[in-house]
Amino acid sequence: RKEVEQDPGPFNVPEGATVAFNCTYSNSASQSFFWYRQDCRKEPKLLMSVYSSGNEDGRFTAQLNRASQYISLLIRDSKLSDSATYLCVVLDTGRRALTFGSGTRLQVQP
Amino acid sequence: DAGVIQSPRHEVTEMGQEVTLRCKPISGHNSLFWYRQTMMRGLELLIYFNNNVPIDDSGMPEDRFSAKMPNASFSTLKIQPSEPRDSAVYFCASGQEYEQYFGPGTRLTVT
Repeated sequence: RKEVEQDPGPFNVPEGATVAFNCTYSNSASQSFFWYRQDCRKEPKLLMSVYSSGNEDGRFTAQLNRASQYISLLIRDSKLSDSATYLCVVLDTGRRALTFGSGTRLQVQP
Repeated sequence: DAGVIQSPRHEVTEMGQEVTLRCKPISGHNSLFWYRQTMMRGLELLIYFNNNVPIDDSGMPEDRFSAKMPNASFSTLKIQPSEPRDSAVYFCASGQEYEQYFGPGTRLTVT
């Protein structure tokens, strides 16, 4: 079983739609979680951290469910520029290093 | 700030040749990470350094791979000899484990 699992997509949505991605992680001891964004043929960039209480950054909302070991990312009012791959990331507390999911591809269409 | 700098951006080489990838981290960052990304395996951590010291190299696939960080502003990842299955995008990142800034990557093709 992969340490971090994501639906690869692609998710094809119209502009203005709300879209949600989920991710599950296998290590119940994990403490820190993130979403990174990667545009085609570019490097990953930190989108937002995920806090236990849930957190929001503009149109983006991240939530964590420790009991079920899953993390979600909600994008409201999606824009064409949101088209990218979204990587779910978990901090491996043993290695003190990030473990990346394979990513979920989002394509926002006009 | 110029961000993390990697060179070369593209490398095409023949099987059996030595390949050296270079990275200059963001000034002031204490940690440096080398990743490899392929379609099949996604983004994998190869090795990371803290204060120029290798901390975890458990992701290095085999002895053909080696990495060094002789000072705080420079690191290399070397593959010798290279094989076609090493073809991938190699990213260098600097920062802390909680927030990493990635370089633009080196796209390596081994024929």
